[in-house]
Amino acid sequence: SQELEQSPQSLIVQEGKNLTINCTSSKTLYGLYWYKQKYGEGLIFLMMLQKGGEEKSHEKITAKLDEKKQQSSLHITASQPSHAGIYLCGADWKSDYGGSQGNLIFGKGTKLSVKP
Amino acid sequence: EAQVTQNPRYLITVTGKKLTVTCSQNMNHEYMSWYRQDPGLGLRQIYYSMNVEVTDKGDVPEGYKVSRKEKRNFPLILESPSPNQTSLYFCASSFGSGRAGKDTQYFGPGTRLTVL
Repeated sequence: SQELEQSPQSLIVQEGKNLTINCTSSKTLYGLYWYKQKYGEGLIFLMMLQKGGEEKSHEKITAKLDEKKQQSSLHITASQPSHAGIYLCGADWKSDYGGSQGNLIFGKGTKLSVKP
Repeated sequence: EAQVTQNPRYLITVTGKKLTVTCSQNMNHEYMSWYRQDPGLGLRQIYYSMNVEVTDKGDVPEGYKVSRKEKRNFPLILESPSPNQTSLYFCASSFGSGRAGKDTQYFGPGTRLTVL
């Protein structure tokens, strides 16, 4: 959806380097999800952010939510070949009454390749 | 083992021949959803269901039907498949949108459909 933009579309990094993927929503977020997908396979849940300023970590992957900008960033420290795949953010937008809208809309994904 | 299963995993069919892709979850989840994934378009929601007998259209519902007669099953029906429905399909389930701490969506392994 164009209402949820991910950048960059693809990324090639050298093993050991850090990297950041961004996800920006044009609508107010109720929750923001990060998933990882191996090519042609199902999605693996990484983490969910709901509160402004919230930061969560899973192994060497950290995600933050900037409520003012309606943006989330996913940061990988010291990348490894096992980090390669497609990273997708998913938005649960806020409904008119302030709760969850009830469904999840995904960005187009960021394809990450890590060179050994 | 908690999981979402889809069948078949691979299917090649011809235009107009009705088909059903089954989806089943064993986690007593209320929320289930179907997505299709296409190169350059990302993951797009077809239909979702908040509970038994409650279904709603997602972004791309045309040409698809769903039903939710039981909590665990959410089949995707293509009454008259066309080549533009060639895609990778994913089923997902969760306890329910908006329930903090239990919003993780679990994805099935995917069904690769080719319509000739």
